[in-house]
Order: sequence, then C-alpha cells, then structure tokens
Amino acid sequence: DTGVSQNPRHKITKRGQNVTFRCDPISEHNRLYWYRQTLGQGPEFLTYFQNEAQLEKSRLLSDRFSAERPKGSFSTLEIQRTEQGDSAMYLCASSLITGVHGYTFGSGTRLTVV
Amino acid sequence: DAKTTQPPSMDCAEGRAANLPCNHSTISGNEYVYWYRQIHSQGPQYIIHGLKNNETNEMASLIITEDRKSSTLILPHATLRDTAVYYCIVIIQGAQKLVFGQGTRLTINP
Repeated sequence: DTGVSQNPRHKITKRGQNVTFRCDPISEHNRLYWYRQTLGQGPEFLTYFQNEAQLEKSRLLSDRFSAERPKGSFSTLEIQRTEQGDSAMYLCASSLITGVHGYTFGSGTRLTVV
Repeated sequence: DAKTTQPPSMDCAEGRAANLPCNHSTISGNEYVYWYRQIHSQGPQYIIHGLKNNETNEMASLIITEDRKSSTLILPHATLRDTAVYYCIVIIQGAQKLVFGQGTRLTINP
C-alpha cells in the first residue's frame, strides 16, 4: 500500500463547470476525511466518512458540494457550478477509528477556477 | 478541542536542533498533543503525539511540560528538507477531525 492517493493532482476549470475529485485511502482505514486548504491557511475540515456512512459535514460544505464513499472504499468529492472562491487545495486523509497512528493525508488536488 | 498558540515563523541553521513551541493552556486531561508538518505542495504528515510523557521517534522528540499547558517539538539535527509548516493540534485520541491553526513556518538555513 502506497498511502492515500488523490486524483487528479491539478484541475483547472471554468466558472460554472462541475468537477469531481477522487481519493483512494489506505485499505484498512475505516475513516476518510476531506479538507480544504486556501493559500496561507491551515487545512479546514469539510466532511468525514466512517466506512460508507457520512457522519459529519462542515458548514463550509455548501449545497454545491457532495461527497460519497460507496462500499466504504474510495471516495469522490464533487463541486457543482464552481465559483472562483472554490479555488483551493482539496486534501483527503484516512485513519483507523482509534486514531492511534494519526491521520495519513494524500498530496491533494489543487483546483483553480478561472 | 483545546486551542493552541504557535509562533508564526522560526528560523534554524542546518545541523542544529530546531525547537518549536506550542501553548495549549486549556488542554483537558484526555486530550493528546499531536504534531503534523506540511512541506510545500504536499499534504500534512504525521510526526509524533503524546499525552503527558515525553516521546521520541525517528523523526522528532516531543517534550510536554508537567502541567501539560505547553509542549516543544524538537528536530535534533535539522536538514533543509525539514523546511515546512508545523502544526500543533490538541485532540482526544480517535477524535473525528483535526482542527488546524496556522502553524509555525520553519525555515532551515544552510
């Protein structure tokens, strides 16, 4: 296992278009998280899954955002009708429920909305 | 979750020990201190965590004061590759999410 994998690494899209990002977590990890990071700021929590159940969503996750984790494996984050303010790094992380060994983050998907 | 306070930036010479402080005066008895770092254009990387005893691993040492209100992350022999933003986070183990502050931007100078 090579860790948490995110695709694509970079995405440039026009305002108003829909985009989808994929995250493949470490296989034995039950929890999967999505974070957003803008320039100069620390990552901000968006949502997390425990197996296939989405258990918490941040107020940052507007109606244009939707995340899924079918079968408790990989996850997708979709942004509909993108806005320039959505430009950011989108980070995925996974962990065991116990959190004993901390989170493992992917390298992120950098979204630029033009 | 307890809030943490870190200096916004620090410099350290290559080969010297880098000591990064963190204040967490409102920490609860069941909250751990976790440290992560984020190298440019990468996701955060777990470094070390502790509850009340000092901890050491292959990456760093964590010194927690007896009253647990502050801690110090020590990189014993800093290299240029240690240049990164370092985040100190206080959470209950198994917590549902990490809450990041702005961290300390550590620059290792040759």
